[in-house]
Amino acid sequence: QSVLTQPPSVSGAPGQRVTISCTGSNSNIGAGYDVHWYQQLPGTAPKVLIYGDNTRPSGVPDRFSGSKSGTSASLAITGLQAEDEADYYCQSYDRRLSGWMFGGGTRLTVL
Amino acid sequence: QEQLVESGGGVVQPGRSLRLSCAASGFNFRAFSMHWVRQAPGKGLEWVAFIAYDGSNENFAGSVKGRFTISRDNSENTVFLQMNSLSAEDTAVYYCAREVRNGYDYFDLWGQGTLVTVSS
Repeated sequence: QSVLTQPPSVSGAPGQRVTISCTGSNSNIGAGYDVHWYQQLPGTAPKVLIYGDNTRPSGVPDRFSGSKSGTSASLAITGLQAEDEADYYCQSYDRRLSGWMFGGGTRLTVL
Repeated sequence: QEQLVESGGGVVQPGRSLRLSCAASGFNFRAFSMHWVRQAPGKGLEWVAFIAYDGSNENFAGSVKGRFTISRDNSENTVFLQMNSLSAEDTAVYYCAREVRNGYDYFDLWGQGTLVTVSS
């Protein structure tokens, strides 16, 4: 069981907005550690979407945004497109476990 | 272009060992800390191991501590993962990943992964 909790699945119609939550604790997100988000398309390696809670690497569309508050973080995707159908993971550092942690992952389905 | 290529995966019997390699190219390998991340079939990502850019520091997930070791050869631009006492729970695609150097701790470059299957 992951120390970072994500919903197993979310879905939305094309053009809609969806959010994916990542709930941690005072030993990771709540301790001030950065949250990063990755997108994993089927059969491929993960790719970073958001780093440092809310920063997009160059080349990532501004439809993707991140936020953090307290012990939780969120990834928002607006203007859903069919190509956004993928698995999404949050990642942070946990000081109690002294290691890098991933959330359990969320599968996004575009209806 | 910047690239990571893993190798060494395969089918191994429970209790045996396997050594994975990750060859880097297209960037200054010795300046970057490196990680191994694994993904069991149909499951999520699990961080496995870390090694500092100069090999001075290492860290492991609790699930592999005492069984796996990590090392690097900066002259050969390669990072290794030595896996001992393997069990079925270690079956996964193993990715090597580069940690950025911009003050954050995310992974900005990944290999394509190598599949390790532990089975009798």
